[in-house]
Amino acid sequence: AQSVTQPDIHITVSEGASLELRCNYSYGATPYLFWYVQSPGQGLQLLLKYFSGDTLVQGIKGFEAEFKRSQSSFNLRKPSVHWSDAAEYFCAVGASSSNTGKLIFGQGTTLQVKP
Amino acid sequence: DAGVIQSPRHEVTEMGQEVTLRCKPISGHDYLFWYRQTMMRGLELLIYFNNNVPIDDSGMPEDRFSAKMPNASFSTLKIQPSEPRDSAVYFCASSLGTATEAFFGQGTRLTVV
Repeated sequence: AQSVTQPDIHITVSEGASLELRCNYSYGATPYLFWYVQSPGQGLQLLLKYFSGDTLVQGIKGFEAEFKRSQSSFNLRKPSVHWSDAAEYFCAVGASSSNTGKLIFGQGTTLQVKP
Repeated sequence: DAGVIQSPRHEVTEMGQEVTLRCKPISGHDYLFWYRQTMMRGLELLIYFNNNVPIDDSGMPEDRFSAKMPNASFSTLKIQPSEPRDSAVYFCASSLGTATEAFFGQGTRLTVV
């Protein structure tokens, strides 16, 4: 069965500093991987996705993520954080082999940005 | 397209009452998902449909919960009777086939008092 772990529940970074949010997944085959962002009181918005090909994926708002099969990881990065990036971030895994379209989410990481 | 539309945005009800949450997926999408979000359990997949057919309802907490999708443009999640522990934000999402992302609605914040 698919599962996702986001080890960091809460992260605080200073504005302008770099950011890395961790995501580890469990799945028998090559998964589909996603990062979503949720602002308070809002739904989830897709930041980026990985299906196949280049393991470094670019997304919206200056985010990128790297798929590392050997580490079962899909960490999200941003070189310089803006105050508007404060939100909750979710990593999700989809099952590629079963073709179900089912998405399983991690517990989320809350990002706080200090001025 | 207006995106995934959920109604109501907020619902406050008394314990024991029936609650119905509604969702209109993005036109043309063939998958529809219902998720529940709480502080304790995060985002949980309750049930999902493919072409209006329920595929996996293993996440539905108990028999008090039921979901239907009578046609491609409408789905409901019903809780009867509701309990305070059902208080959560319920999200509906839709996607186009596999290997695509899910698009989320704004959610319904349910409070059962």
